Amino acid sequence: AQTVTQSQPEMSVQEAETVTLSCTYDTSESDYYLFWYKQPPSRQMILVIRQEAYKQQNATENRFSVNFQKAAKSFSLKISDSQLGDAAMYFCAYFASGGSEKLVFGKGTKLTVNP
Amino acid sequence: DTAVSQTPKYLVTQMGNDKSIKCEQNLGHDTMYWYKQDSKKFLKIMFSYNNKELIINETVPNRFSPKSPDKAHLNLHINSLELGDSAVYFCASSPRQVQGNTIYFGEGSWLTVV
Repeated sequence: AQTVTQSQPEMSVQEAETVTLSCTYDTSESDYYLFWYKQPPSRQMILVIRQEAYKQQNATENRFSVNFQKAAKSFSLKISDSQLGDAAMYFCAYFASGGSEKLVFGKGTKLTVNP
Repeated sequence: DTAVSQTPKYLVTQMGNDKSIKCEQNLGHDTMYWYKQDSKKFLKIMFSYNNKELIINETVPNRFSPKSPDKAHLNLHINSLELGDSAVYFCASSPRQVQGNTIYFGEGSWLTVV
């Protein structure tokens, strides 16, 4: 079964600094997708960034970028120039195309941004 | 325009009651899901439907019964509510093939059983 592990229950960063959230996953599939979702206190699930496993290039979305290491099954999220609004729970998620068609989530990392 | 909408957003009810949560998506997606987020914020899939057909049932107690009248709607009915059912329930949808696409979530329905 696929599993997603986020080893950092909590992280903190100073405003305007950079922080990296870790995620590893376990799978025997070759074709899959990885996601980072942000969940603020409102509990809304907001997509931050998506990575297709077949793409070697790391995905970027403005201040958010990933370091995707397929061989190591690692998918970390880097947030640059952190803002107070970035404070939230961040969930790493895995989806196998052709598999059971469900998102498998990690347990989340709570990010605090200090002014 | 809300892409995936759930009602009610908040629900407080007593043990033993029966309640329903409704979900509608206007994205034209073929697949809809129910996820449960427990008090520790762990998100886990409960059900998945594709074009009104059940494709995933993750060993959820049969007190939970999803119903999909059409591919734009997936409702969740819960019988004989228990304290442990208290959670945030998320509805979500995605196109049939996720390649290049994403699962979109509703805003969640906060269920509290007292």
